[in-house]
Amino acid sequence: NAGVTQTPKFRVLKTGQSMTLLCAQDMNHEYMYWYRQDPGMGLRLIHYSVGEGTTAKGEVPDGYNVSRLKKQNFLLGLESAAPSQTSVYFCASSPSGRRETQYFGPGTRLLVL
Amino acid sequence: AQSVTQLGSHVSVSEGALVLLRCNYSSSVPPYLFWYVQYPNQGLQLLLKYTTGATLVKGINGFEAEFKKSETSFHLTKPSAHMSDAAEYFCAVSVFGNDMRFGAGTRLTVKP
Repeated sequence: NAGVTQTPKFRVLKTGQSMTLLCAQDMNHEYMYWYRQDPGMGLRLIHYSVGEGTTAKGEVPDGYNVSRLKKQNFLLGLESAAPSQTSVYFCASSPSGRRETQYFGPGTRLLVL
Repeated sequence: AQSVTQLGSHVSVSEGALVLLRCNYSSSVPPYLFWYVQYPNQGLQLLLKYTTGATLVKGINGFEAEFKKSETSFHLTKPSAHMSDAAEYFCAVSVFGNDMRFGAGTRLTVKP
C-alpha cells in the first residue's frame, strides 16, 4: 500500500495563478483532510471531507476550494494564489472521526511569488 | 474552542537523557489527545493517543504520555533519548466534530 500520496511535491506560482493539489489514499478511508503548516503555527485545517461527495470548512478555508468526487481522491484548489498562501500543504486521511489516527502524506511545498 | 499549547519550541537533550515535551490543552469537555512526530521532509506519523480508559498511554519508539485532567496536560516522555529521536513533535486535541487542533510544535535535538 502506498498510503497517502500527494502531487506535486513542490511548486512555484506567481501571484494570481491557479493550481490544484491532488491527494490520493488507498486505505479506503472515509475521512480526508487538507492542512497547511507554517513555521511556529503548527498545522491548521483548511477543509475536510467525511465521505465521497462531501466537503466542509476547517479553521482557515478562505482562498481555497476542495472537491471529493471519488472516495480515494481529495483535491485542493487555489483559484488566485497570493503570497500568504506560501506554505507546506499536507493531506491526511482517517477511517472515521475524531478519535481515529490520521495518516499523513509527505506534503507539497508551495511558493507564491 | 479547544486549543493546545506546547511549552518550548526547541528542546535539546543529550543522548541517553530523559526526554520531556510539554503539552497543555484547553477544552470544556473530555478531549481526545494525540502526539505526532515529523521527521525532516516527511509527513506526520502518530506516536500515541488518548481517547478513553487508562491515562498512561504507551506509544511507539519507547514514548509514553500521561493524561492529567486536573492539570489539563498531556506531556510526552521517553526515559532515554536516542539520536534517531531528533524530530519535530506535535501535540493535538480533538473535541468536537472533525476539527483537530495542533500545537505549534517542539523541535527536539539530541546531542551525542
